[in-house]
Amino acid sequence: DGGITQSPKYLFRKEGQNVTLSCEQNLNHDAMYWYRQDPGQGLRLIYYSQIVNDFQKGDIAEGYSVSREKKESFPLTVTSAQKNPTAFYLCASSMTETGLEPQHFGDGTRLSIL
Amino acid sequence: GQQVMQIPQYQHVQEGEDFTTYCNSSTTLSNIQWYKQRPGGHPVFLIQLVKSGEVKKQKRLTFQFGEAKKNSSLHITATQTTDVGTYFCAGDTGKLIFGQGTTLQVKP
Repeated sequence: DGGITQSPKYLFRKEGQNVTLSCEQNLNHDAMYWYRQDPGQGLRLIYYSQIVNDFQKGDIAEGYSVSREKKESFPLTVTSAQKNPTAFYLCASSMTETGLEPQHFGDGTRLSIL
Repeated sequence: GQQVMQIPQYQHVQEGEDFTTYCNSSTTLSNIQWYKQRPGGHPVFLIQLVKSGEVKKQKRLTFQFGEAKKNSSLHITATQTTDVGTYFCAGDTGKLIFGQGTTLQVKP
């Protein structure tokens, strides 16, 4: 079955710690995205990547970093600079980066502060 | 900045009642997509509307795209408990911008 796999499902971060959320897709999609979802709010775009070795900041990129070394993988690092990291993080992919393509989402990672 | 506003934020209905969520954009959209997120789940693509005035149906769900391509609506006829979840619109302004979502609760 083709899809997007996010891990871990739950993650806890200590003060001053960087943590990395994994996102892997086997849909052969060029574009990948990271969203943050807070209660009562929509999906806010953190970073997106149109192609391997390229990525762009979204609306709330501060305190986050990404890499796109392989087509299948788009890991997100939540750095210690992100002061309010508790949220539900969703990774998505689409065939291309244009808004014409539907996005396919992973099951998400719920990040909490210890 | 470009925004996609969605109302209402929450809606509680009795099973069998109808439900509508509205999506409005400050700019003209190339197309609009709708997603459903079940409680504890992830958003799942439902449909895409591209043409001005377009209407599409999926069983009890009716999707409309406004003539000016700045607004859209999702109407559910005779809600069922399986309809619970959060419905998001996402407008294409060159990139996809998600609305805040409407969370639907259905009382059996």
